[in-house]
Amino acid sequence: QQQVKQSPQSLIVQKGGISIINCAYENTAFDYFPWYQQFPGKGPALLIAIRPDVSEKKEGRFTISFNKSAKQFSLHIMDSQPGDSATYFCAAREGDYKLSFGAGTTVTVRA
Amino acid sequence: DGGITQSPKYLFRKEGQNVTLSCEQNLNHDAMYWYRQDPGQGLRLIYYSQIVNDFQKGDIAEGYSVSREKKESFPLTVTSAQKNPTAFYLCASRAQSGRSLNTGELFFGEGSRLTVL
Repeated sequence: QQQVKQSPQSLIVQKGGISIINCAYENTAFDYFPWYQQFPGKGPALLIAIRPDVSEKKEGRFTISFNKSAKQFSLHIMDSQPGDSATYFCAAREGDYKLSFGAGTTVTVRA
Repeated sequence: DGGITQSPKYLFRKEGQNVTLSCEQNLNHDAMYWYRQDPGQGLRLIYYSQIVNDFQKGDIAEGYSVSREKKESFPLTVTSAQKNPTAFYLCASRAQSGRSLNTGELFFGEGSRLTVL
């Protein structure tokens, strides 16, 4: 049973548009929420991460919004580029070592 | 360059055979992980190890075994008891919490794709 629910499963966006991926969780012990980006045939790589005491974090065109009371967080990709086409995973960590991943969202950016 | 090396990249196995996937890291990380990736299911934790000679079961450990005899190496054996072994397997490592200024980023290898014939 997945502890982190991610949606949508896939999305298509035009170049320059905004991609939005949503995640929800139930476990209030989670204390660290990273997003990973994975290109085909490669391992995931950390994109951006947030702690629950912060409501928003921005790094370049990527922004995490965090709603602690609703137990939801989302990734916004602004000005989407073809090079952003990849699978994105949200995740949540409890304690020091165990990271639970969402099912992933495949983003396709059309030129 | 520092990183995680997984081998082989592709592996074919007949039913009933055990296979071992290699994972080596030169990042001097204490913790190592094995994840399984299936379409639409994300990454599921198989086993993890926080220190040499110690490891714990993850969420889907049945049919798998690991060892951690050296800090750099964390091989995964997919046994014949694993009923549906065809998948993409990812190894990762992480610096021990408290020793690094980062928040515990996982570094992944490029994966091994196992296909059962």
